[in-house]
Amino acid sequence: GAGVSQSPSNKVTEKGKDVELRCDPISGHTALYWYRQSLGQGLEFLIYFQGNSAPDKSGLPSDRFSAERTGGSVSTLTIQRTQQEDSAVYLCASSRGGGRPGNTIYFGEGSWLTVV
Amino acid sequence: AQRVTQPEKLLSVFKGAPVELKCNYSYSGSPELFWYVQYSRQRLQLLLRHISRESIKGFTADLNKGETSFHLKKPFAQEEDSAMYYCALNNAGNMLTFGGGTRLMVKP
Repeated sequence: GAGVSQSPSNKVTEKGKDVELRCDPISGHTALYWYRQSLGQGLEFLIYFQGNSAPDKSGLPSDRFSAERTGGSVSTLTIQRTQQEDSAVYLCASSRGGGRPGNTIYFGEGSWLTVV
Repeated sequence: AQRVTQPEKLLSVFKGAPVELKCNYSYSGSPELFWYVQYSRQRLQLLLRHISRESIKGFTADLNKGETSFHLKKPFAQEEDSAMYYCALNNAGNMLTFGGGTRLMVKP
């Protein structure tokens, strides 16, 4: 595609419900990232997929958070039993990957999650 | 562990004034540094990277390994420069670590 695509763009959910956020990376990009941007906070790394390697999950804040990447392309970030502190913009990004210098990382527009 | 620090959450300048957004990093390896910008209601996008040594929209940034800094500078700020700016460090695994961001406001 022309860019990283995320859906939904906005999601309001009740506390305790599960949510799924979808990311469609740029075609051919092997690296995919999820970040969280909270109001007044910076960008918090969540998880990183690179090709067929085991994902780097070191940024996931709790076991309520999980992510999958099927077929090396589309990724889904799942938040179970949502809490109000989960309210944030969830950003997905992709790059050609490989750890080579100069790889540009492209971001989607984000999914704005509000937990009420 | 790698860390990126942007000491100013908000920087306000008048149009035409010089601007410097500070960024300091800590990283044990050879760093690759970037500046990302997010304009109002737009997605986060790459502004410049240190390996390119380029000037984008009048902005430049020089990597100073001695001071572990990568400050973003522009000699004459414009109103359209108002945005959120993030400094980021890329480790060998191609994972970006971001600073907390600085909101630049350029007043007319």
